[in-house]
Amino acid sequence: AQSVTQLDSHVSVSEGTPVLLRCNYSSSYSPSLFWYVQHPNKGLQLLLKYTSAATLVKGINGFEAEFKKSETSFHLTKPSAHMSDAAEYFCVVSEVRNSGAGSYQLTFGKGTKLSVIP
Amino acid sequence: DVKVTQSSRYLVKRTGEKVFLECVQDMDHENMFWYRQDPGLGLRLIYFSYDVKMKEKGDIPEGYSVSREKKERFSLILESASTNQTSMYLCASSVAGTVLVNEQYFGPGTRLTVT
Repeated sequence: AQSVTQLDSHVSVSEGTPVLLRCNYSSSYSPSLFWYVQHPNKGLQLLLKYTSAATLVKGINGFEAEFKKSETSFHLTKPSAHMSDAAEYFCVVSEVRNSGAGSYQLTFGKGTKLSVIP
Repeated sequence: DVKVTQSSRYLVKRTGEKVFLECVQDMDHENMFWYRQDPGLGLRLIYFSYDVKMKEKGDIPEGYSVSREKKERFSLILESASTNQTSMYLCASSVAGTVLVNEQYFGPGTRLTVT
């Protein structure tokens, strides 16, 4: 069984300072990992994804994440926060289900709300 | 751009009513999904479909059913709405094939209140 733990439910940073959103996962197989962002009253948008290629993944809007297998972590970072980064962020792990034709399981973390202080 | 639309942004229904939530995607995606989103719980998968007329239960299918008669449309049905089904419902779609690497595209969500 797979699971995702987002270590902080809420993170607050000042504009211009670095952002770190932490995510740990457990998986029976080699997973794919994603970060999604949800702005208020909007659907989820993909920030970046890891699919067993480079361990450092660059995404949109200056975000990046590093896959560390030894630590089972996939933390999201950004060097300098912007007001428009205020949103909720979800870490997601994906792996193949044991049943179903071509089916797979997507497990979402509980989310981290990022506040950016002017 | 991929577009996933949901029939309503806000919906208020009474306990016991039959409720239909509609989702349409315009990119010819094989896979479609229904999630519910609750504060502090993240997203939980209700049902998904990997082809027309095909469906598979997700993690919390109880009290829900789905219908996929056409490739672009995926409906979520609450047979008899209850107050514990008050939630945000999100629809998503993705291409088939190597599903492990394919991102899902989300609609804006329907906030359902059952009174």
